[in-house]
Amino acid sequence: NAGVTQTPKFQVLKTGQSMTLQCAQDMNHEYMSWYRQDPGMGLRLIHYSVGAGITDQGEVPNGYNVSRSTTEDFPLRLLSAAPSQTSVYFCASSYSGHQETQYFGPGTRLLVL
Amino acid sequence: AQSVTQPDIHITVSEGASLELRCNYSYGATPYLFWYVQSPGQGLQLLLKYFSGDTLVQGIKGFEAEFKRSQSSFNLRKPSVHWSDAAEYFCAVGLAGGKLVFGAGTILRVKS
Repeated sequence: NAGVTQTPKFQVLKTGQSMTLQCAQDMNHEYMSWYRQDPGMGLRLIHYSVGAGITDQGEVPNGYNVSRSTTEDFPLRLLSAAPSQTSVYFCASSYSGHQETQYFGPGTRLLVL
Repeated sequence: AQSVTQPDIHITVSEGASLELRCNYSYGATPYLFWYVQSPGQGLQLLLKYFSGDTLVQGIKGFEAEFKRSQSSFNLRKPSVHWSDAAEYFCAVGLAGGKLVFGAGTILRVKS
């Protein structure tokens, strides 16, 4: 099993550009989430999904879109990048709910100029 | 609202010394609590978790944590720290939908 994979590992964008961060898992997990990590703030939830076709907003959803067309994939789209979106982004998955272990991907480091 | 507080931003301990990282949570019901570790440039790895039963939980790499409901705490401990334990440690509470609310993290430095 590859676990949770994320691409790209690093990306530089200009303000106003759009891009998609890819996340895939091969563990047949129903639950998937996106977090951003900023110094001194821990990880904050952007969007999450409890199954294919079902998504919801987390704590900091503005400027981001998600969709979940398959169990395996959960891409995160930045519609119009802003410098405030410079961060490290982590995707996570789990088999079910809040008592389950979340498995994290290696992260995508994004720099918006 | 649910929240997690890690009062110590940085902690430095000598190799071989004991370690305690503090975590306090705010949650209305019985919490599901986690400790994760992040090595530099890496993702997060689960150290241990608590959701019921014995309040002293054993984890990987020799770590343990004690859940104290009266103090709303879930402190992480290790009796003897190794240089390889240098990392950032996150306490988190689990919510419905597979969501986690994280503390701000504690950076552990180990001096030889």
